[in-house]
Amino acid sequence: DTEVTQTPKHLVMGMTNKKSLKCEQHMGHRAMYWYKQKAKKPPELMFVYSYEKLSINESVPSRFSPECPNSSLLNLHLHALQPEDSALYLCASSQDSGGADTQYFGPGTRLTVL
Amino acid sequence: AQSVSQHNHHVILSEAASLELGCNYSYGGTVNLFWYVQYPGQHLQLLLKYFSGDPLVKGIKGFEAEFIKSKFSFNLRKPSVQWSDTAEYFCAVTPLTSGTYKYIFGTGTRLKVLA
Repeated sequence: DTEVTQTPKHLVMGMTNKKSLKCEQHMGHRAMYWYKQKAKKPPELMFVYSYEKLSINESVPSRFSPECPNSSLLNLHLHALQPEDSALYLCASSQDSGGADTQYFGPGTRLTVL
Repeated sequence: AQSVSQHNHHVILSEAASLELGCNYSYGGTVNLFWYVQYPGQHLQLLLKYFSGDPLVKGIKGFEAEFIKSKFSFNLRKPSVQWSDTAEYFCAVTPLTSGTYKYIFGTGTRLKVLA
C-alpha cells in the first residue's frame, strides 16, 4: 500500500471557523509533511514531522497548527484563516526525512476561505 | 537563496516527438534531485531521482534525466512522447540546510501532447 489519504477532499470555511485537515499513511513512514499549493504554483513546504516531532516550520502563521498524534496520522488545525489561505493543501510522507527519500503525496484538500 | 528554475512553463508537442524539459538549481553543496509528475486529476508521483552514482537516471514510463554538476542542471528527457504524458512536471531539489533536508520544487512545466 503506497497510499496517502487526505480528508476532506474539499473544505469551505469562514474566517472565524475552526476546522482540521487529516492525513493518514500506513507505509510505516517516519516523516510526514504539509505543503500548500496555490493555483499554477509549485508546492510550498509548510511543516515537516520526523518521528512524530516537528522538525521544520517554514515560518507558517500560527493560524495553522500541525499535530502528529502518531506515526501514521498528521493533522493540520485551521483557525481564523484569511481568504488568501485558500489553496490546495497536500500531505506527503517518506521513509525518513533524509534528502534522498521519495515523498508519497496525497490527493490534497482544496480549501476555500470565505 | 536556494532555488529551482524550470524555464519551460508550457510545452506542446505532437505524439512521437522528443521531449526535453530543463531544470536548473542554485545550490553549491551536495544535492538530491527529483522529477515528479502530476497527471490530470491525480496526485504528485515520482518519475525518477538522482542522489549518487551514474548521472544518467532512468525512471518510469521511458523517462530519463541527466545530472550535469558543472551546469547545475537535471534535465528530463523522453525520446517519444505519448498522449498519456500530458501532465505537469516538477523538478525538485533537497539541499541540506541547517542539518535538515527539505524539498524545494521548481515552478513546474505543463506538457500537452497532441494526439
